[in-house]
Amino acid sequence: EAQVTQNPRYLITVTGKKLTVTCSQNMNHEYMSWYRQDPGLGLRQIYYSMNVEVTDKGDVPEGYKVSRKEKRNFPLILESPSPNQTSLYFCASSPPQSYNEQFFGPGTRLTVL
Amino acid sequence: SQQGEEDPQALSIQEGENATMNCSYKTSINNLQWYRQNSGRGLVHLILIRSNEREKHSGRLRVTLDTSKKSSSLLITASRAADTASYFCATRFGTSGSRLTFGEGTQLTVNP
Repeated sequence: EAQVTQNPRYLITVTGKKLTVTCSQNMNHEYMSWYRQDPGLGLRQIYYSMNVEVTDKGDVPEGYKVSRKEKRNFPLILESPSPNQTSLYFCASSPPQSYNEQFFGPGTRLTVL
Repeated sequence: SQQGEEDPQALSIQEGENATMNCSYKTSINNLQWYRQNSGRGLVHLILIRSNEREKHSGRLRVTLDTSKKSSSLLITASRAADTASYFCATRFGTSGSRLTFGEGTQLTVNP
């Protein structure tokens, strides 16, 4: 089944404890992206990647890192999480033909205490 | 600030009625997309309209685009309770069209 998977789906952690949220897609998509969703603010793009080893900042990259060593994986890294990073995170990918329709993962709900 | 803004923020209708949601944006776009999100789930792509198109249909969905007013509307005809969800417009812009910016969404409730 074609899909975007994220792990974990739910995470509660404490300030300063490094964490990684994994994202994987099995559709051979070149484009991948991370968003965070907050009440009243909609979805905001954190980072995106046009292809392997090519990443770029979105609207809210501060406090986040990403890597794209393989086409299928695009992990989101929080080196030192803070409470303002408590949010619902979505990974998405797009087909190689055009960067149009995005396929979204199920989301990761992160709480930083 | 957000490139796309939806209006209204919330809409409640009866099953069988039509639902219209609007989206306004600020800069020139390559295309505009509408997504649906059921509570707590990931977004699902509904329809895309390119900047040189004015209207597009997909099943019970009808999307219009007015680039002179920088606005779009999504019409869901003969709504069903299962249409209850949040609906987001997203605009793709930039020289490479790689950036996709979402609005805050319209929460649609269809009462049976």
